[in-house]
Amino acid sequence: AAGVIQSPRHLIKEKRETATLKCYPIPRHDTVYWYQQGPGQDPQFLISFYEKMQSDKGSIPDRFSAQQFSDYHSELNMSSLELGDSALYFCASSLGSGGGDTQYFGPGTRLTVL
Amino acid sequence: KQEVTQIPAALSVPEGENLVLNCSFTDSAIYNLQWFRQDPGKGLTSLLLIQSSQREQTSGRLNASLDKSSGRSTLYIAASQPGDSATYLCALLRAGNMLTFGGGTRLMVKP
Repeated sequence: AAGVIQSPRHLIKEKRETATLKCYPIPRHDTVYWYQQGPGQDPQFLISFYEKMQSDKGSIPDRFSAQQFSDYHSELNMSSLELGDSALYFCASSLGSGGGDTQYFGPGTRLTVL
Repeated sequence: KQEVTQIPAALSVPEGENLVLNCSFTDSAIYNLQWFRQDPGKGLTSLLLIQSSQREQTSGRLNASLDKSSGRSTLYIAASQPGDSATYLCALLRAGNMLTFGGGTRLMVKP
């Protein structure tokens, strides 16, 4: 069965550079979620989109922005990167956002900021 | 603010043992609770999902229970195997559709 696809899988950037992470949800899923997992930490919710509209916002820095496109894929844009942004970034998708919907996670993008 | 705590933080057992991982939470207003497995540096694999109206779910050697009134969930692993070695995370889905994760339990099953 098709799963959530994230690209790239690994990304290395310098401080103050920008990065774009992409997420392709499971076919027919209309909701996308982004999570950040720092080294040795549990995943933290960043932001989610339902039907191309932002639905919820968590602890996402102002330097980050995200959007969901007409084909339901999502991109997380990160600017002015800092060392502390080094983390695993997970995307998850679900069908519907009415609560109680199972979120299926992608393999993650490992971002390293040097 | 929802707090999710997992005990123990780390566990090492010999192969074949039955074991219980614990997850406690402060806010019982949840939609569901999920247990995930994460191998080092890898993604999250969903193991079991319990809806707020359910008491338990079973999949193979895994059984998860949910007691909302006491703010607890347990993940029972029967006949543990070295391949079960991983970090196990519980996560609660609450209003806003955001998952709140516990700190995880690092499990090591020794041959």
